[in-house]
Amino acid sequence: EAGVTQFPSHSVIEKGQTVTLRCDPISGHDNLYWYRRVMGKEIKFLLHFVKESKQDESGMPNNRFLAERTGGTYSTLKVQPAELEDSGVYFCASSQDPGTGDGYTFGSGTRLTVV
Amino acid sequence: GDSVTQMEGPVTLSEEAFLTINCTYTATGYPSLFWYVQYPGEGLQLLLKATKADDKGSNKGFEATYRKETTSFHLEKGSVQVSDSAVYFCALRKRTYKYIFGTGTRLKVLA
Repeated sequence: EAGVTQFPSHSVIEKGQTVTLRCDPISGHDNLYWYRRVMGKEIKFLLHFVKESKQDESGMPNNRFLAERTGGTYSTLKVQPAELEDSGVYFCASSQDPGTGDGYTFGSGTRLTVV
Repeated sequence: GDSVTQMEGPVTLSEEAFLTINCTYTATGYPSLFWYVQYPGEGLQLLLKATKADDKGSNKGFEATYRKETTSFHLEKGSVQVSDSAVYFCALRKRTYKYIFGTGTRLKVLA
């Protein structure tokens, strides 16, 4: 079974540019999550999709971040315009049951560097 | 709010040394506790978990015991290997979808 796939694995962009991160969840997982780890700090929750609907976006830092999940399959996280403080590792995860956490699986992350 | 605190790294050990990575938590209710590991170039992998007080989670020689009285979930391994070099994250989760992680502890094991 394929795991959660994220790409690109690394991205280096200049301040002010736009970057789009993609996440392909495990097939059949309706629940998809984004997390972020800023350098040296904890991994923080950003948002939760159930199929194509945003259930909780309480962790999104500001309106420069836009997450979508068209058709309830893969998801994208766009940062526009990127700032230096957006640098970090962005993790995606998916699961079957959000309550029990059954099958909760993380991807390998996208390392974003804004220069 | 709920939070997790773990010891800062990096932790550098020689092969076959004993490992302890401290983790304490603050939470209302009865969270489940987890240790995740990230090996170089790979994703976050669940290492072990415990769902209630006094439970011991174990996997690959690693162990951690859910101590409610000290609000702790310290990770231990009796004899580390070079292949254990990774970043270890302590986390909690209540009966919900949202994990709360600590800052991570990098472990480096030297041959």
